Amino acid sequence: NAGVMQNPRHLVRRRGQEARLRCSPMKGHSHVYWYRQLPEEGLKFMVYLQKENIIDESGMPKERFSAEFPKEGPSILRIQQVVRGDSAAYFCASSPSAVGDNSPLHFGNGTRLTVT
Amino acid sequence: RKEVEQDPGPFNVPEGATVAFNCTYSNSASQSFFWYRQDCRKEPKLLMSVYSSGNEDGRFTAQLNRASQYISLLIRDSKLSDSATYLCVFYNTNAGKSTFGDGTTLTVKP
Repeated sequence: NAGVMQNPRHLVRRRGQEARLRCSPMKGHSHVYWYRQLPEEGLKFMVYLQKENIIDESGMPKERFSAEFPKEGPSILRIQQVVRGDSAAYFCASSPSAVGDNSPLHFGNGTRLTVT
Repeated sequence: RKEVEQDPGPFNVPEGATVAFNCTYSNSASQSFFWYRQDCRKEPKLLMSVYSSGNEDGRFTAQLNRASQYISLLIRDSKLSDSATYLCVFYNTNAGKSTFGDGTTLTVKP
């Protein structure tokens, strides 16, 4: 079984460009979560999505960041007009149901975004 | 006050030592608890779930204290390969999201 697939693994963008990060959850998983890990810091929740729905985006910066999980295709985390402070590792995780069923999160390898 | 408090360490211990980490949470609505391991800022991997009755997996023992709102992880007979960052995770059913601690760094030395 393929795990959570994220691409690209590494992404370099110049300030002002757009970054698009993709995440395909594990087969059978309909819950997707995005986390960001800044250098020397812990994992911070960004957004929780189910198919075609944003359930909780309380961790998303109010501007420039958006996320979607369409009916078909991967989940996309989009960062417009990137700045140096966006440089981080972005991890996607999925679960088959709400984590409250004691279903843990399965993480992808992450996308390392570097803004120059 | 942060939702999750975790001693960042670092914990430097010799091989064979026993080491314990605690993690406290402030939101009593937290319902599911996990320990994850992260190596060199790669993707976190599930180490074990934490059950109310406590659970053991080989050299690892996890416990939950709901009254005092903390979970713990005990590692016995530490190996060099145990060197990593250990993350505690709490799932809040009402909010529908998992909150991670900032991690405790463990280094096991020969």
